[in-house]
This record gives sequence, structure tokens and C-alpha cells, in this order.
Amino acid sequence: RKEVEQDPGPFNVPEGATVAFNCTYSNSASQSFFWYRQDCRKEPKLLMSVYSSGNEDGRFTAQLNRASQYISLLIRDSKLSDSATYLCVSPRRRLIFGQGTELSVKP
Amino acid sequence: EPEVTQTPSHQVTQMGQEVILRCVPISNHLYFYWYRQILGQKVEFLVSFYNNEISEKSEIFDDQFSVERPDGSNFTLKIRSTKLEDSAMYFCASSEGTSNQPQHFGDGTRLSIL
Repeated sequence: RKEVEQDPGPFNVPEGATVAFNCTYSNSASQSFFWYRQDCRKEPKLLMSVYSSGNEDGRFTAQLNRASQYISLLIRDSKLSDSATYLCVSPRRRLIFGQGTELSVKP
Repeated sequence: EPEVTQTPSHQVTQMGQEVILRCVPISNHLYFYWYRQILGQKVEFLVSFYNNEISEKSEIFDDQFSVERPDGSNFTLKIRSTKLEDSAMYFCASSEGTSNQPQHFGDGTRLSIL
């Protein structure tokens, strides 16, 4: 089993929609995770850190379910600028990236 | 906001040639990393560097690769004899600490091997 696995994409949603991404992890010792976003041919940029059960930042909510070993990212009121690939990341001394889920928000 | 900077943005090299990719990490960060991303694939870890030595490397980081911090600001990745399969986007990253600390990425060097 891969250490980090994400929903296969792409997700195509209209502006204003709510969209959720899921990510499962295999190492039960993992204490925290990150969500990064990556625009086409650009560097990954940190979106949110998830250190406990979850946290919220504006339209974005990240949750961590240790019992089921999954992390989720919820985007409310999606905007055109949210179109990107969202990467679930497990940090150790290295970052272990999931394959990424592509989101396309349409007008 | 402080950022990681990388040069060049695009490097085109003949197979078999040596390349050096350069990075300037964020100034108060202590941990430095190189990742690569082959087109259409996920970001892969290459190497981490702390206290002037390699702290971890992946199976990708073979004898053709080396890293160096030649002065107080630069962090370089050298590929000694490039292969076609080395064509990828190479990202440098840095962090204040390790494990649970987020890493901040430079905007990458696109390496094209001909």
C-alpha cells in the first residue's frame, strides 16, 4: 500500500460549489500532514497544515481522522483561482507526496 | 515574505554533460532539500541536507548526484553525467526544522536533457 493515496481526479466543478478531497495514509505513526497546491508547472505551495483533528482557514477546512487514517480537504464557495492540483503530503524528514488531485473550477 | 530562489529557471544540456542547479534557501532555515518532478508524475524526494552534510537520500540519488553548500547562502545540486531520464523539474526547498515543519519550495529549474 502506498504511504499516501489520494482520490483520483480530475474534479470539475462550477464556481461556488463545495468540493472535498480525501487522502489515506498507511503509517499510523504519522502525527501531522500538509495540503499543498500546485499550479501547472509551478512549485508546490503550502496551503494548510493539519496537526490535530483539523483546522479551518477561511473557505478551507482540513480534517484528520486518525482512526480511519484519512485526511480531507474541503473547499467551500470554490473560485476559478482554486483550479490547481491539490497534494496530500506526509512529513517525515522528507515530504512524501501523494499523486495529487486535479481541480478545475468552471464559470 | 522570504522565499527560496532557484537558478536557472530552465537548463538545456546535452546528455553526458554535467549540470549544477543552484538554490538560495530562506536565510534562517536550517534544513535544505532537493525534489524532482518528472512531467506528469508526482513530486519525488531526492536528498535532505543539514549541518553541512546529507541527512537522508532516496534511491534516486545515486553516485551521479551530489549536493554542496559552498558558502553561507547557496545550496547546489550537481548531476555529473546527465541522462535523458534526468529531464524533470527540480525543486529546492528549505525548512526551519524537520519532521512536522512545513517546507517552502523555490519555483524550480526545468532541466531538459537532449
